Amino acid sequence: KNEVEQSPQNLTAQEGEFITINCSYSVGISALHWLQQHPGGGIVSLFMLSSGKKKHGRLIATINIQEKHSSLHITASHPRDSAVYICAVIIGSRLTFGEGTQLTVNP
Amino acid sequence: DTGVSQDPRHKITKRGQNVTFRCDPISEHNRLYWYRQTLGQGPEFLTYFQNEAQLEKSRLLSDRFSAERPKGSFSTLEIQRTEQGDSAMYLCASSETAATEAFFGQGTRLTVV
Repeated sequence: KNEVEQSPQNLTAQEGEFITINCSYSVGISALHWLQQHPGGGIVSLFMLSSGKKKHGRLIATINIQEKHSSLHITASHPRDSAVYICAVIIGSRLTFGEGTQLTVNP
Repeated sequence: DTGVSQDPRHKITKRGQNVTFRCDPISEHNRLYWYRQTLGQGPEFLTYFQNEAQLEKSRLLSDRFSAERPKGSFSTLEIQRTEQGDSAMYLCASSETAATEAFFGQGTRLTVV
């Protein structure tokens, strides 16, 4: 079993829909990242959080440390949101990654 | 500062050849990480540096792999006697400390033919 599990693996939505991607982890962590990866490989950090909730534009990330669970929400989704979204946790000195969620938003 | 940069972006090499990749982190970042990502998978940790010291290496890093960060600034990752299984995206990231946000480069995509 991976230390970091994401769901769903693939998600297709219509433009404008509200999207939720979930991340569960099995060990104690100091913080969690949500990352976005576009075709071509570049990874962009969306959020780093260790408690509560953060919001940036149409993106919202929440974390429940007791339940070892985090969610990434996208409101009013747009085709340009299509990408792979990766959850990564800081364990000790390094990041451990989930396998990613491939999001496709259709116009 | 333009962020983390990696060079080259793409590398095609024949099996058995040696390859070297370079990563230039954000200038004030002490931590530098190397990750490997195969198609459809999340990145996997390879190694990391605190300044010039290599503090941890994954078991994924066989003896054909070596990484250096000689002056605590840029880093190189060398793969000797490449194998087809080495084909992957090699990602570099840097951060100020272990607990601060990591910033990623665009990656080097290696194809071994």
